Amino acid sequence: GNSVTQMEGPVTLSEEAFLTINCTYTATGYPSLFWYVQYPGEGLQLLLKATKADDKGSNKGFEATYRKETTSFHLEKGSVQVSDSAVYFCALRDLRAGNTPLVFGKGTRLSVIA
Amino acid sequence: EPEVTQTPSHQVTQMGQEVILRCVPISNHLYFYWYRQILGQKVEFLVSFYNNEISEKSEIFDDQFSVERPDGSNFTLKIRSTKLEDSAMYFCASGMGGGATSSFFGPGTRLTVL
Repeated sequence: GNSVTQMEGPVTLSEEAFLTINCTYTATGYPSLFWYVQYPGEGLQLLLKATKADDKGSNKGFEATYRKETTSFHLEKGSVQVSDSAVYFCALRDLRAGNTPLVFGKGTRLSVIA
Repeated sequence: EPEVTQTPSHQVTQMGQEVILRCVPISNHLYFYWYRQILGQKVEFLVSFYNNEISEKSEIFDDQFSVERPDGSNFTLKIRSTKLEDSAMYFCASGMGGGATSSFFGPGTRLTVL
């Protein structure tokens, strides 16, 4: 079956540090890949996505590249801010036709300190 | 910008009681989902709904759960007889469908079963 594995948190960084959150996946087909972010007390928001190999998703300074050869979709940001403190979820969606649910990783909590 | 809304934001109930969680998906979306997140754990898929019927459900979605789209706008999740372990954040999501498309999540309903 499909699954997503994320690095264990929590991750604590100083402001302006470089961020990497690792994500690898297992899929029977050729999935689309997503990063969702959950700020404290809020729901899930789509951060970025990539739908095919070597695609790079980017948003708000975050980037992730779909690497089919390593089945990975690591999230990176060059300089984090306190406002980036949140839980980050890697997810995949199977490219079967129609209505397929997202499969999430366990989430990685990021705390950025000033 | 259109968004998914959910009510109530927090529901407290006694074990064995029925609860109905309500969602208004984005109006032109065709696919609807319920997910849940037990505190501190990963987001888990419950059920997906398309064309007025369930298209997929997880092992969690047993006979105690049901979904309905009673009119053109609302999408509800009913738990017939709540258990302590049903305490979680319940997220509604909607999308246009297909593997490459994103799901848009509501802010969630926190269900507390006492």
